[in-house]
Parts: sequence; C-alpha cells; structure tokens
Amino acid sequence: KNEVEQSPQNLTAQEGEFITINCSYSVGISALHWLQQHPGGGIVSLFMLSSGKKKHGRLIATINIQEKHSSLHITASHPRDSAVYICAVRLRWEVNNDMRFGAGTRLTVKP
Amino acid sequence: KAGVTQTPRYLIKTRGQQVTLSCSPISGHRSVSWYQQTPGQGLQFLFEYFSETQRNKGNFPGRFSGRQFSNSRSEMNVSTLELGDSALYLCASSLGAGAAYEQYFGPGTRLTVT
Repeated sequence: KNEVEQSPQNLTAQEGEFITINCSYSVGISALHWLQQHPGGGIVSLFMLSSGKKKHGRLIATINIQEKHSSLHITASHPRDSAVYICAVRLRWEVNNDMRFGAGTRLTVKP
Repeated sequence: KAGVTQTPRYLIKTRGQQVTLSCSPISGHRSVSWYQQTPGQGLQFLFEYFSETQRNKGNFPGRFSGRQFSNSRSEMNVSTLELGDSALYLCASSLGAGAAYEQYFGPGTRLTVT
C-alpha cells in the first residue's frame, strides 16, 4: 500500500462546479503540500499545511492530523484549473524527513 | 526575482553514458531538492542539499549523485545510464531546508535514454 493515497485518480467537472480531491497518508508527517502540474511538466506549490485550513482565492486546503487526511477544494471551477493535482508529505525527522508523493489526480474542467 | 532554472531542458543519451543536470535556485534560496518523475512511479524524492551538504537521500542507487556549490547552484549526475532512467527531473529551491519552507519548482529536464 502506498504511503500517500489520493482519490479520485481522474475527475471531470463542468465549469462552475465545486471540486474536492482527497489525500490520505499512513506515515508521521511534519507537513503536507498540494502541488499543481500542468501539461508540459511545470509544478506549482499551491499550499503547505501542518494543521488546520488555508485559502488562496478559489482554492481551499484542509488537513486533519489525527485522521491523517487532507482535502483540496476548488470552488467555482474553471477550465484553466485543468491540471494534475499532487499531494506530497514531508516525513517527520525521526523517520527520515524526505518527501513522499501521491499518484496525482487528473482534473478536467469542461466549459 | 527570477524563478528556478534548470539546464538543459531536454536531453537524449545512450545507455551506459553519464549525464549532468544543473539547477539554479531562486536568489537567496539555500536549499535545493531533486525529484524524478516517471509515468510508472510518479514523483520520487532523490536528494536534498542545504549549504553544500546533502541532508537527505531517497531510495535510489549510487549511480545517482549530486552536489551543491557555494552559490547554492546544484548539479545532479547519473552514471551508467539505464533505459529506466528516462524521466522528467525536477529541482525545487527553498529558503531553508525542512518542513517549514515552501518549495519552488523549476521547469524540469526531460531525459530520454535510448
């Protein structure tokens, strides 16, 4: 079983819909990151979380440390949100402090 | 500020050769991390450097190595290339090392091994 699991793997939405992408992890972490990757490969860091909730524009990220679960929400989705969204965790120092990644969620938003 | 730059952007090599990839971090950033992305394995952590010292290394064979220079620029080297080394290699820079710092990714170097 992967240490970082994302769901769904693929998601198709109509413009304007509310979108949720989920990430569960099974290891002790010091931080969780949500990344966005567009075709062509460039990666943008959307959020870095260690607790609670963060909001940037139409994007909201939450994390529940006790349940080892995080969600990324996109409100009023737009075709330009079409991308692969990747959940990544930084392992705790006492493990080895490196990064582990989910397989990604491919989001397509249709106009 | 200029973003993270990686050179070259595309590279084709033959099995058995070696390759060196370069990463220039954002000015003022002292930490550089390297990642490999393949369709089969997804993103995997290679190593992290801070102030010219390797802090962490992922689960990759010794053919993969790296270094960081005093100006924070970093290089990674892969020796004795195998077909499975074909991948997108990404570097990311941050102000410091560890969980408290956001990472900024470069555009990647796409390596094809034939």
